Amino acid sequence: DQQVKQNSPSLSVQEGRISILNCDYTNSMFDYFLWYKKYPAEGPTFLISISSIKDKNEDGRFTVFLNKSAKHLSLHIVPSQPGDSAVYFCAASWFGSKLTFGTGTRLQVTL
Amino acid sequence: GAVVSQHPSWVICKSGTSVKIECRSLDFQATTMFWYRQFPKQSLMLMATSNEGSKATYEQGVEKDKFLINHASLTLSTLTVTSAHPEDSSFYICSAKTGTSEETQYFGPGTRLLVL
Repeated sequence: DQQVKQNSPSLSVQEGRISILNCDYTNSMFDYFLWYKKYPAEGPTFLISISSIKDKNEDGRFTVFLNKSAKHLSLHIVPSQPGDSAVYFCAASWFGSKLTFGTGTRLQVTL
Repeated sequence: GAVVSQHPSWVICKSGTSVKIECRSLDFQATTMFWYRQFPKQSLMLMATSNEGSKATYEQGVEKDKFLINHASLTLSTLTVTSAHPEDSSFYICSAKTGTSEETQYFGPGTRLLVL
């Protein structure tokens, strides 16, 4: 039972444009959401997070939006840069429990 | 940021042998360490959570006698895959947590295991 889903396995975006990565979840108990970035042969690194009491969190070029009613969150990267090319995982937890990861979306930023 | 290392980065072994993977937090003491497994095109799946000096807590469906976890110190945890079989071939990633918030969980680079 995949409680956190990333339905797009890959995404290609032109440099300078906006990248939008989506994530859906099924467990309404989740109250904390995180995005991780993973390069090949490296472990995931934390990117940005959002608590369920917010609907938006921004950090530089990265913004995460949370729509609790739709059980959906998205990561916006503006402007996209070639160095952003990586696999992005969303993850969720509740009351400090274990992280539940999505399957990942491979982002390719082209020149 | 905090650094977590894993050794080896990849290993090939024969079916029936045991493989030990080390996870070290290099510049911090980890209150908790986690072991994940990732199959191709699938998500990271938590296998077990370990705290220094105590027994690991395994997720449902993970055989504790097959995947032995030892967390001997605040900077080292080991995962031993005993009597490995081809279906154990996977990417194993550890993480170490320094505090209570999720952002304080730092991941190792992973170990790719191939069992022939």
